[in-house]
Amino acid sequence: SQQGEEDPQALSIQEGENATMNCSYKTSINNLQWYRQNSGRGLVHLILIRSNEREKHSGRLRVTLDTSKKSSSLLITASRAADTASYFCATDTGTASKLTFGTGTRLQVTL
Amino acid sequence: NAGVMQNPRHLVRRRGQEARLRCSPMKGHSHVYWYRQLPEEGLKFMVYLQKENIIDESGMPKERFSAEFPKEGPSILRIQQVVRGDSAAYFCASSPFTGDSRAFFGQGTRLTVV
Repeated sequence: SQQGEEDPQALSIQEGENATMNCSYKTSINNLQWYRQNSGRGLVHLILIRSNEREKHSGRLRVTLDTSKKSSSLLITASRAADTASYFCATDTGTASKLTFGTGTRLQVTL
Repeated sequence: NAGVMQNPRHLVRRRGQEARLRCSPMKGHSHVYWYRQLPEEGLKFMVYLQKENIIDESGMPKERFSAEFPKEGPSILRIQQVVRGDSAAYFCASSPFTGDSRAFFGQGTRLTVV
């Protein structure tokens, strides 16, 4: 079964707004990553945060990690129509890229 | 530097036939992973391979599924005697070394069993 749960399952916002997605997991982790998947395509790595980090930024992305609550959030600021995709969190426990994925959030950014 | 290459992109098989999915990792990557994605779901880990070795196959169904990553050539995921429940997108990912858990994904093979 999937370790991670994400909410919301679907999110619709207008261009320029911020989008926040949340991810919860169940076991101890080494790293937590976020991936984007455009419809019918493969996954693209966005950002990785280590278990000893609390916040990380990359461009318009901001990721937080709370290991005490076993949760993470992904914030996309000033969203664009091109951000429309599904977003997945994934955790690893130290075995290289053996990842456990969440259920995903489908983001729709409208003009 | 080409990314992870998977072929075919789409594969249709009748029940009972065999499906062979191929994956060439990124240049310089020696770790290959196979994941399966059912419609509207996240990816589920199947198997982790290095050249000529299966490192972790804890996500592979016990029957009909096998994977290999030979010394030369692509990694192959083989599904024998396919059933309708095998219909899914199968993604291959590669990573450069054990210490980096970022995965680089191919475009996937969409298997449809009719």
